[in-house]
Amino acid sequence: QVQLVQSGAEVKKSGSSVKVSCTASGFTFTTYAITWVRQAPGQGLEWVGGVNPVFGTSNYAQKFQDRLTITADEYTGAAYMELSSLRSDDTAVYYCARVPPTMLIGNYYLGMDVWGPGTTVTVSS
Amino acid sequence: QSVLTQPPSVSAAPGQKVTISCSGSTSNIGNYYVSWYQHFPGTAPKLLIFDNNQRPSGIPDRFSGSKSGTSATLGITGLQTGDEADYYCGTWDNSLSAWVFGGGTRVTVL
Repeated sequence: QVQLVQSGAEVKKSGSSVKVSCTASGFTFTTYAITWVRQAPGQGLEWVGGVNPVFGTSNYAQKFQDRLTITADEYTGAAYMELSSLRSDDTAVYYCARVPPTMLIGNYYLGMDVWGPGTTVTVSS
Repeated sequence: QSVLTQPPSVSAAPGQKVTISCSGSTSNIGNYYVSWYQHFPGTAPKLLIFDNNQRPSGIPDRFSGSKSGTSATLGITGLQTGDEADYYCGTWDNSLSAWVFGGGTRVTVL
């Protein structure tokens, strides 16, 4: 069964960092890009960034450029999103999503076909 | 403020049709395929439409997509109570070098 398994909920203090994992199951991880999307309470979906294991490259939404790192480990079949200098407005559910080869053009995407269940990150002061 | 503009909500009676618009610009919708996602709060979003008008396997033909110029539309016919959810359009934006979503539209079945 094709699925993405995410790590568990996190509670963090302002100013600290969080690292969320997304493990592939049922498909060949290295041929897909993995992207991260978040939803803050009462807000819509917001793209955070992504990693393309095919090219070994990552791209990030501009607002996260200086505190976000997204990586992929082909041996463990997992992608990781690490967000530092956490603030209260980083409180959100973070989803990973798969970009299949048919929806991946270089480093840009045409869509995401399989999504993880989400990881709740709560930032408290 | 989202790069792509959607109405906050639409509603209709069971069995009726709703359409959800998604307006963008030449840096996004005008030059890239649009996809649509159904999201029940607290669950994983689901891909409904890709490449403007293609349905993944398992998505009923009650859901349809279209695109014209810098706007896209999602249609849902034969509305069911189970369709009550949030719907998002998304595409790539080459001026931002980023994926962008619309603000989301809540569908309510009256």
